[in-house]
Amino acid sequence: EVQLVQSGAEVKKPGESLKISCKTSGYSFTSYWVGWVRQMPGKGLEWMGIIYPGDSDIRYSPSFQGRVTISADKSLGTAHLQWSSLKASDTAMYYCARQNILADYFDSWGQGTLVTVSS
Amino acid sequence: EIVMTQSPATLSVSPGERATLSCRASQTISNNLAWYQQRPGQPPRLLIYDASTRATGIPASFSGSGSGTDFTLTISSLQSEDFAVYYCQQYIDWPYTFGQGTKLEIK
Repeated sequence: EVQLVQSGAEVKKPGESLKISCKTSGYSFTSYWVGWVRQMPGKGLEWMGIIYPGDSDIRYSPSFQGRVTISADKSLGTAHLQWSSLKASDTAMYYCARQNILADYFDSWGQGTLVTVSS
Repeated sequence: EIVMTQSPATLSVSPGERATLSCRASQTISNNLAWYQQRPGQPPRLLIYDASTRATGIPASFSGSGSGTDFTLTISSLQSEDFAVYYCQQYIDWPYTFGQGTKLEIK
């Protein structure tokens, strides 16, 4: 069974750094792209970027380029999303999702990680 | 960046009736379109891919159609669990943008 299990909720202050994780199982981690999607409170889904763990190829949405870093640890089967300096506007639910191997839709999703940034 | 526009923003339908949701792309995307359902407090769930193919385990009451720029998701007979928010997503060109969502509510 394909599973993506995300790290727990975080409460941070503006300016702090953060790295959240998405641990995968049930499939070959290095053979599928894994993406990140933001959902701000009461809002819709925003595609942030994706990584191919096999060769660490990464694609960012222009809206998120330079503001977040996507990475993957092949040995752990885990993808990461990190910020070097959080802002209040980063408060949101963040989902990781696996991209299908044949076409680029998301076929499996993590449960989400709620990030709250407040002073 | 391809802009995906969904309509209506909110759709009120009675249980047992049919619901029709629309999604339009700002440029042609062939059939590279997916539909997702998101219930409150849950992650999105894949319903339809390649515009018209149901994902594994999705009931036949869900159907997708369209190609090019205009797409439709139809739910033939609404059950209580179908009242949720629905998103379309194009996956022909990075970034793979989503529509803003249609909230399907009970009338």
